[in-house]
Amino acid sequence: EAHLLESGGGLVQPGGSLRLSCAASGFTFSSYAMNWVRQAPGKGLEWVSAIIGRGDSTYYADSVKGRFTISRDNSKNTLYLQMNSLRAEDTAVYYCAKDRPTATLPYYFDSWGQGTLVTVSS
Amino acid sequence: EIVLTQSPGTLSLSPGERATLSCRASQSVSSNYLAWYQQKPGQAPRLLIYGASSRATGIPDRFSGSASGTDFTLTISRLEPEDFAVYYCQQYGSSPGLTFGGGTKVEIK
Repeated sequence: EAHLLESGGGLVQPGGSLRLSCAASGFTFSSYAMNWVRQAPGKGLEWVSAIIGRGDSTYYADSVKGRFTISRDNSKNTLYLQMNSLRAEDTAVYYCAKDRPTATLPYYFDSWGQGTLVTVSS
Repeated sequence: EIVLTQSPGTLSLSPGERATLSCRASQSVSSNYLAWYQQKPGQAPRLLIYGASSRATGIPDRFSGSASGTDFTLTISRLEPEDFAVYYCQQYGSSPGLTFGGGTKVEIK
């Protein structure tokens, strides 16, 4: 059974940076595309970014393109999200989510972490 | 971008009743690539349905999904107490441009 554990959230000022991590276990990490999905307080879900298994293709929502960078270290079974130039509207719980095996594009998410809260405020 | 509109916003029902949730897409969703998720307060979402009608692993058969053109439906045949939650649809037919619907809350009447 897949297990995903996010970390790295916290309070950051507007314009600041933060790096989230997601430690994966229970499956062959390098075989799966991985995603970040966020949820603003009391709001719905928003897909943020995806990276395929080998790590050589990445995808972003327009709302974060140019500010966020997704990456992965398959030797450590860990997914990352580097967030720069943070804005108040980036405040949300950020979930990492596992995609289909051998996917070359993001599809749907069959396992989710418990999430980590990012608060952007002065 | 494909916009997904879920209705109703809130559904008030009693345990044992049938729940019908709607998700309408602003344009055709390629290959009926639509998923449904359940989210309970303070928890991560859980995948219920993918490909519009395929149940995810471990999902009870009281949950079913269907598609007709740009209209998608999640049906819960008989509500159990643990089914009261928020439900989201998500399309992946225009990947990598993934989008979610705004959600439907199923509450106890």
